[in-house]
Amino acid sequence: GQQLNQSPQSMFIQEGEDVSMNCTSSSIFNTWLWYKQEPGEGPVLLIALYKAGELTSNGRLTAQFGITRKDSFLNISASIPSDVGIYFCAGPPGETSYDKVIFGPGTSLSVIP
Amino acid sequence: NAGVTQTPKFRILKIGQSMTLQCTQDMNHNYMYWYRQDPGMGLKLIYYSVGAGITDKGEVPNGYNVSRSTTEDFPLRLELAAPSQTSVYFCASSPQGAEQYFGPGTRLTVT
Repeated sequence: GQQLNQSPQSMFIQEGEDVSMNCTSSSIFNTWLWYKQEPGEGPVLLIALYKAGELTSNGRLTAQFGITRKDSFLNISASIPSDVGIYFCAGPPGETSYDKVIFGPGTSLSVIP
Repeated sequence: NAGVTQTPKFRILKIGQSMTLQCTQDMNHNYMYWYRQDPGMGLKLIYYSVGAGITDKGEVPNGYNVSRSTTEDFPLRLELAAPSQTSVYFCASSPQGAEQYFGPGTRLTVT
């Protein structure tokens, strides 16, 4: 079936550092979504991207929809301890299907104060 | 506006027992989903619904059933619980299918 790959699998960074992570697929996506999950909670939507090449920011977070439509990137600037969590990329594969959204395996972020 | 609510928060079942996980949303969203998340893993889609009266299987539907009689409610039924169903279950809703809003989860242990 369809699969999303995320890298890195985990990151340990110092507070104040910038973070970059990516998500790739062998299939084309029409929409890319980035979620954050904190321990014991459900995922929370951070950013949604709808157009190839689109660059969208949400505070210190910036995400980009790859030009090939097979990848997306998330950057966090000046990380703080509350950035800790698992970051998932997700999207509905294919041109028109919004019925099923698939999720990547996640990137676990730890921030060392 | 409570968003997506799930009950119970925790449950321990014995093998072979049945239970229903409740999910309610007050955002008038047409799309609703059930996922399971195993430790250290991503989310796997169990069932989804695009509107009242319409449901369809996701990636891992075996051992589960759903119904959608109203826009607000999307209960997930486990029949004959098995240890492999030990997981955290998340319900989500969406206005159009892409951007999803998740509930807090139900942590289920089957022993």
